[in-house]
Amino acid sequence: AQKITQTQPGMFVQEKEAVTLDCTYDTSDPSYGLFWYKQPSSGEMIFLIYQGSYDQQNATEGRYSLNFQKARKSANLVISASQLGDSAMYFCAMDTYYGGSQGNLIFGKGTKLSVKP
Amino acid sequence: DTGVSQDPRHKITKRGQNVTFRCDPISEHNRLYWYRQTLGQGPEFLTYFQNEAQLEKSRLLSDRFSAERPKGSFSTLEIQRTEQGDSAMYLCASSLVGQSRSVANYGYTFGSGTRLTVV
Repeated sequence: AQKITQTQPGMFVQEKEAVTLDCTYDTSDPSYGLFWYKQPSSGEMIFLIYQGSYDQQNATEGRYSLNFQKARKSANLVISASQLGDSAMYFCAMDTYYGGSQGNLIFGKGTKLSVKP
Repeated sequence: DTGVSQDPRHKITKRGQNVTFRCDPISEHNRLYWYRQTLGQGPEFLTYFQNEAQLEKSRLLSDRFSAERPKGSFSTLEIQRTEQGDSAMYLCASSLVGQSRSVANYGYTFGSGTRLTVV
């Protein structure tokens, strides 16, 4: 069965500093995608970054980078130069792609990030 | 296209009443997903459609829940005889799924959700 584990219920970071949010995953499918989403208090899910299981390089999107360690089955999100607007819930998610069919997205329980001024 | 729309944004209902939510996906997307998110938790998968066919249902989708996607466009999620445990945010998402995986078609777009409160 596929599973996403986020072990940090809450994290604090000082404004302008970098922070790493942990995510480990479990799947037996060889082809999968890993996602990070941000959910502010308003509720919408905002896509941040994607990493495919066969991608050789770590994904980066502006201040977001994904530290993908396939052997350890981890996909940590690194946010550089934190801003007050980064305060939100962050969810790691995964889908699988096997046999020509894409599965659905499964989520971890999330990490609440608070950025301190 | 303005993205995925969900209606209503908020719904308060009395226990035992039926409620129906609507989701309008991005028009060119062929997949539509429903998720439920309770306070402090991540979204949990309920069901998804590819075009008009309902391809998978979670065990979370009890007999009181039914989802439809007539003509492969908008979708409705109905909850019959609501219970207090049904109180949650119901999220809809859509995606474009093809034969191969590419940057263009890996993305899921979420709506803003419908927050249901059963009193």
